[in-house]
Amino acid sequence: AQSVSQHNHHVILSEAASLELGCNYSYGGTVNLFWYVQYPGQHLQLLLKYFSGDPLVKGIKGFEAEFIKSKFSFNLRKPSVQWSDTAEYFCAVRAYSGGGADGLTFGKGTHLIIQP
Amino acid sequence: AAGVIQSPRHLIKEKRETATLKCYPIPRHDTVYWYQQGPGQDPQFLISFYEKMQSDKGSIPDRFSAQQFSDYHSELNMSSLELGDSALYFCASSLGGFPPTSWYEQYFGPGTRLTVT
Repeated sequence: AQSVSQHNHHVILSEAASLELGCNYSYGGTVNLFWYVQYPGQHLQLLLKYFSGDPLVKGIKGFEAEFIKSKFSFNLRKPSVQWSDTAEYFCAVRAYSGGGADGLTFGKGTHLIIQP
Repeated sequence: AAGVIQSPRHLIKEKRETATLKCYPIPRHDTVYWYQQGPGQDPQFLISFYEKMQSDKGSIPDRFSAQQFSDYHSELNMSSLELGDSALYFCASSLGGFPPTSWYEQYFGPGTRLTVT
């Protein structure tokens, strides 16, 4: 079974600081990778996704992530964070099993707090 | 744009009672997923349906069952509720099938907050 590990459970940054959140997964087969954001009291929203091709993917709100297959990693980055980026960030993996509707496996999440 | 609709948004039940949660996917989406998110926890995948057939199964307790109907909406039935079932239950929808369509992203609904007392 696949698993997802997020290295930082709580991160506190000042506005304009650069952000990098680590994510590693364990699965030897074909995977799709996602980062979701959950603002307080809200549902999960997709930030970006990787299916295939260019390992550097760009998402919404200035976020990007790089898939490094050899390291089984999919780290999330943003050059300059804003106070409105305060939220919970989840890395997720879909391991292709041959079925038509594979569920996502989420990491434990990173609680990001941006101080003004 | 239309989003995933879940009802009810809040539900309070007592131990040993039953609960039914409903999910209405985005129009034209044929695949539905259910997730459970406990307080301060990551979402845990429960079960999914593609074209009204169960497709993938996660950590769904035997006390829970689910189905997808002809209009693609889904219902999660929970019986003999326990205090530990208190959580936020998310439904997500997507286009299903086999790659590449099965690799389309899942769109999450607002969730149903279930409190068991």
